[in-house]
Amino acid sequence: KNEVEQSPQNLTAQEGEFITINCSYSVGISALHWLQQHPGGGIVSLFMLSSGKKKHGRLIATINIQEKHSSLHITASHPRDSAVYICAVQLNSGGSNYKLTFGKGTLLTVNP
Amino acid sequence: GEEVAQTPKHLVRGEGQKAKLYCAPIKGHSYVFWYQQVLKNEFKFLISFQNENVFDETGMPKERFSAKCLPNSPCSLEIQATKLEDSAVYFCASSRQGNTIYFGEGSWLTVV
Repeated sequence: KNEVEQSPQNLTAQEGEFITINCSYSVGISALHWLQQHPGGGIVSLFMLSSGKKKHGRLIATINIQEKHSSLHITASHPRDSAVYICAVQLNSGGSNYKLTFGKGTLLTVNP
Repeated sequence: GEEVAQTPKHLVRGEGQKAKLYCAPIKGHSYVFWYQQVLKNEFKFLISFQNENVFDETGMPKERFSAKCLPNSPCSLEIQATKLEDSAVYFCASSRQGNTIYFGEGSWLTVV
């Protein structure tokens, strides 16, 4: 079993829809990252969370440490949001080991 | 600079040849990471550095892979005697201590 599980694997939405992508992890973590990878391959960091909720524009990320679960929400989705969204965690291995363990990603397609 | 710069963008090597990839982290970032992405969405951690010191090399296939981050030089990842299975995108990333991680555009290695 992977340490980081994402769902769904694929998601197709109509422009304007509210989107939720889920991430569950099975280990202790010090932080969780949401990343966006566009078809060209570049990776952008959207959020880094260790507790609570963060918002940036139409994107909202939440984390529940007790339940080992995080969600990424996109409000009023747009075709330019089409990308792979990846959940990645920094394991709580002590010290300053900031390497990431990745989920397999969610491919989001937003149709006009 | 304000971006992680990776070169080359694309590299084709015959099986058994050497491949060398370079990464210039963002100035002021003391942590550098190398990740290998195969099959589109499977990321594997290779190695991390804290300044010029190897911090965690648990992901490195040590027989053929080596990496360095020397002062005043780009970091490098070298693969001796490449194999077909080394075909992947190699991402370099950098961060300040425990903060947001910034990824380069990746180097696409094809071994034929």
